[in-house]
Amino acid sequence: KNEVEQSPQNLTAQEGEFITINCSYSVGISALHWLQQHPGGGIVSLFMLSSGKKKHGRLIATINIQEKHSSLHITASHPRDSAVYICAVRFRETSGSRLTFGEGTQLTVNP
Amino acid sequence: ETGVTQTPRHLVMGMTNKKSLKCEQHLGHNAMYWYKQSAKKPLELMFVYNFKEQTENNSVPSRFSPECPNSSHLFLHLHTLQPEDSALYLCASSHRTASSGANVLTFGAGSRLTVL
Repeated sequence: KNEVEQSPQNLTAQEGEFITINCSYSVGISALHWLQQHPGGGIVSLFMLSSGKKKHGRLIATINIQEKHSSLHITASHPRDSAVYICAVRFRETSGSRLTFGEGTQLTVNP
Repeated sequence: ETGVTQTPRHLVMGMTNKKSLKCEQHLGHNAMYWYKQSAKKPLELMFVYNFKEQTENNSVPSRFSPECPNSSHLFLHLHTLQPEDSALYLCASSHRTASSGANVLTFGAGSRLTVL
């Protein structure tokens, strides 16, 4: 069964802390996405990666293909980072556009 | 603003009503998607359109009827829905090429539907 697991489910941090959100998947993938969903519902694509590491501002995404694991890091966290972070993968054996989504990690950053 | 606009943002309808959700993008993307997000559940793909042609239907009940008149517009027509269809419906678009099926998605803000 193709699965995507995220941890933790909920995360509360103080402003300035370094944050890590994890994503594990069950079988080989062709791409992994990290998405951010704010309380209003809109979703923003943060990263798409298939190997290595990507960085954008205070956000860093890494992926380890052998271990079938990805992490999203936020440095110097800020209350405006409070959102749900979603991991989604395209399994290699899946045809078409289908992404399998994790359940999301609710992040709250307190001032 | 992401470049993908959804209307209405909120919709309340009875089970016998007919309504439509609209999605519009002017990003030059050639693929458009409908996703459903129910409370406490992961996003579920409903439909995919490439160059106005439906390429995927994820076993969606016929009470949901998509329409894609051109590459910039996507509709979801709703008819005789059930209360369990209440959810956030998200539209997304992407630029797909023949060599790549995994592209960055740009999402709209969503239409929150409540079925009474």
